[in-house]
Amino acid sequence: EVQLVESGGGLVQPGGSLRLSCAASEFIFRTYWMYWARQAPGKGLEWVAKINEDGTDKYYVDSVKGRFTISRDNGKNSLYLQMNSLRVEDTAVYYCARSGGVVWGQGTLVTVSS
Amino acid sequence: DVVMTQSPLSLPVTLGQPASISCRSSLSLGTYFSWFHQRPGQSPRRLIYDVSERDSGVPDRFSGSGSGTDFTLKISRVEAEDVGVYYCMQGTHWPWTFGQGTKVEIK
Repeated sequence: EVQLVESGGGLVQPGGSLRLSCAASEFIFRTYWMYWARQAPGKGLEWVAKINEDGTDKYYVDSVKGRFTISRDNGKNSLYLQMNSLRVEDTAVYYCARSGGVVWGQGTLVTVSS
Repeated sequence: DVVMTQSPLSLPVTLGQPASISCRSSLSLGTYFSWFHQRPGQSPRRLIYDVSERDSGVPDRFSGSGSGTDFTLKISRVEAEDVGVYYCMQGTHWPWTFGQGTKVEIK
């Protein structure tokens, strides 16, 4: 079964950093664009970043540009999101997803609070 | 960013009856338009892609239609498992954007 499993969430103070990971299995990871999306508590969905198959093209939503970095390791079938200078408004469940949202992970909660 | 506006935002439905959700885009879209369903505490699930194509395993009571800036999701006969929040999404212009969500509940 195709699966995405996120990890790395937690409680962090404003201005702090976190690195999220997403482990992919049961599909040829290196052949797919991969995505990070988020959902603030009780709110809607928002795409955060995307990365192409070999990691050379990366795109971000304006609100995270310069603070978040998406990356991947095709040898480890893993996707990452390095989040720096975190703000209270970054509090959300973060999901990794494949190819336009056909597959989603279970999500990992990031809470930014003092 | 492209703004996606759904209506209604709340939709009480009767089991076995049809239901319809509309989504309007602030820009004309190509065919990269999808519908998602999310139950409480769960990840979203894509139901419809490319405006009208059902994803694998999605019951045929779900159908999508539309073009340009106006799109519709229809459920021919609502079942209990259909409750939750439905989101439209455009995948034409980055950043891709979702509608606000329509909460479907049983009357």
